[in-house]
Amino acid sequence: GQQLNQSPQSMFIQEGEDVSMNCTSSSIFNTWLWYKQDPGEGPVLLIALYKAGELTSNGRLTAQFGITRKDSFLNISASIPSDVGIYFCAGRRRGAQKLVFGQGTRLTINP
Amino acid sequence: DTAVSQTPKYLVTQMGNDKSIKCEQNLGHDTMYWYKQDSKKFLKIMFSYNNKELIINETVPNRFSPKSPDKAHLNLHINSLELGDSAVYFCASSQTGDFNSPLHFGNGTRLTVT
Repeated sequence: GQQLNQSPQSMFIQEGEDVSMNCTSSSIFNTWLWYKQDPGEGPVLLIALYKAGELTSNGRLTAQFGITRKDSFLNISASIPSDVGIYFCAGRRRGAQKLVFGQGTRLTINP
Repeated sequence: DTAVSQTPKYLVTQMGNDKSIKCEQNLGHDTMYWYKQDSKKFLKIMFSYNNKELIINETVPNRFSPKSPDKAHLNLHINSLELGDSAVYFCASSQTGDFNSPLHFGNGTRLTVT
């Protein structure tokens, strides 16, 4: 079935560092979403992207909808301990009901 | 003022039993979903309902039967539970089923089948 390739699978960084992760697909998507999941909770929406080339920020988070419509990037600047968690990308094609998820990027921060 | 709430949070049961998970959303959304998250944290859609009508039914065993009594509720009933059913099940909702309508998730139900 349709898959999103998310990388890296895990990251171990120092507090204060910047983080980058990305998601690629063999198909074109019309929506890219980025979610964060904390332990014991459901994924929470961070940023939604609806237009190719769109660059959107949410505090220290910035995400971009790739110009080819086949990829998206999430950057976190000046990481803090509460950024720890699993980050998921998700994509949806126009007319498709299904939201497809990447495998997740597990972020660990050393204080 | 929980947006998407599901119960129970934890469910431990034996193989062969039948169990249900309930989900309610107070966001006024038209579309609701059930996702399964496996031990590797991969999220996979199982079902989607739009205004009580089934619109997505992935290749899920027919032991799994969703029921939507109204557009604010989507329950999941599982018959003859198997070890492989152990996972975290997430309910979610969106304003519509369109591509520009992001999903809002509940906090999950961790099902353990022994």
